Amino acid sequence: ETVLTQSPGTLSLSPGERATLSCRASQTVSSTFVAWYQQKPGQAPRLLIYGASNRATGIPARFSGSGSGTDFTLTVNGLEPEDFAVYYCQQYGSSPITFGQGTRLEIK
Amino acid sequence: QVQLLQSGTEVKKPGASLKVSCKASGFTFFDHYIHWVRQAPGQGLEWMGIINPNEGSTLYAEKFQGRVTLTGDTSTSIVYMELSSLRADDTAVYFCARDRGYHDYEGSLDLWGQGTMVTVSS
Repeated sequence: ETVLTQSPGTLSLSPGERATLSCRASQTVSSTFVAWYQQKPGQAPRLLIYGASNRATGIPARFSGSGSGTDFTLTVNGLEPEDFAVYYCQQYGSSPITFGQGTRLEIK
Repeated sequence: QVQLLQSGTEVKKPGASLKVSCKASGFTFFDHYIHWVRQAPGQGLEWMGIINPNEGSTLYAEKFQGRVTLTGDTSTSIVYMELSSLRADDTAVYFCARDRGYHDYEGSLDLWGQGTMVTVSS
């Protein structure tokens, strides 16, 4: 099983700042098979990024993904108030599909 | 409207079985695989399995092998998730989610149901 470790656990930033979230895999994952999700309290997750760097339909350009091998990053440029939420990375290149434990992005 | 609509809140006793439904609307049921993911209170996301509604083929996470069954009804566009021998640590919100791939597995989940809260307690 591929374990995904996200850091930091909590990130405190102000609106307008840049957020950089990390996801490290316990073994190499093809970048084709990495996704990022946003989840707000009481809601289902929302797909932001698939294939490590492709924005899902309707996702603003301030969200971007990058990485390869075992290290992947989600960057949010110019944080908007609605961006404060929990973010999860996912690998889907091998079974079982696994998720990171999440990074909470909170308002400073 | 493109959506996955799940059945309502469940309260079960330990040892009982659970069946949650997930109805697809606004898109062709056969065109996408459906995953099930659960989230225990205050915890992260845990993948349970996937079904190809067109063929009925399934793949389950090893953790749930023997306890989970995914089925699909093409006449009603509904996928079901059954979980047996429930324990207290099965208490969670259960989500169905659509695979982004078209007529094939891709693995990212681009449409989610609203979630079904399941509480297992004596």
